[in-house]
Amino acid sequence: GENVEQHPSTLSVQEGDSAVIKCTYSDSASNYFPWYKQELGKGPQLIIDIRSNVGEKKDQRIAVTLNKTAKHFSLHITETQPEDSAVYFCAAPPQGGSEKLVFGKGTKLTVNP
Amino acid sequence: GAVVSQHPSWVICKSGTSVKIECRSLDFQATTMFWYRQFPKQSLMLMATSNEGSKATYEQGVEKDKFLINHASLTLSTLTVTSAHPEDSSFYICSASSGFVNSGNTIYFGEGSWLTVV
Repeated sequence: GENVEQHPSTLSVQEGDSAVIKCTYSDSASNYFPWYKQELGKGPQLIIDIRSNVGEKKDQRIAVTLNKTAKHFSLHITETQPEDSAVYFCAAPPQGGSEKLVFGKGTKLTVNP
Repeated sequence: GAVVSQHPSWVICKSGTSVKIECRSLDFQATTMFWYRQFPKQSLMLMATSNEGSKATYEQGVEKDKFLINHASLTLSTLTVTSAHPEDSSFYICSASSGFVNSGNTIYFGEGSWLTVV
């Protein structure tokens, strides 16, 4: 089945700096890669996703890059702000079942003012 | 994005009683809904997948008689924790999708429900 590895587990940056979170996946047939942001005590919120027909997608300060050959994808947050502080999860659909997602273990991002 | 609503957002119940959590897709038809459990500082643990009109598929190690899931319509799924015990206290989250993610669909999450069993 699909195995999703996420790094780092914690990340601390200064306000205004960039943050990068990386994920690797095992199933070469996967073609959908979302990123979710979870604030304390709330459900995960989809912030950006990418499908395998493109290598990069950008939405204001957030971007996701995908390297299908290497089977990894990354979340990039530029000009970080304190409100970006949260836990971020990457995910990928498992082999043989494209209804659900397999999640990484999460990255706790802290943006220091 | 699409809206998924969960209710209640928090509930306290006595040990031995049952509690029901609702998950609704407000602006799309959810052919599939998922129920997760999340422990503090951990990732999401998938409990079961439910498709409208059919029995839920439970993940290994999840007691189906303990966690009853019903997906009676394309906009509503319910999770009932039966005979709740303190160890069932957790954050329960649902998510919903209108189809396979590999076919262009997206999964959206509810706000979660905190369950405390006393």
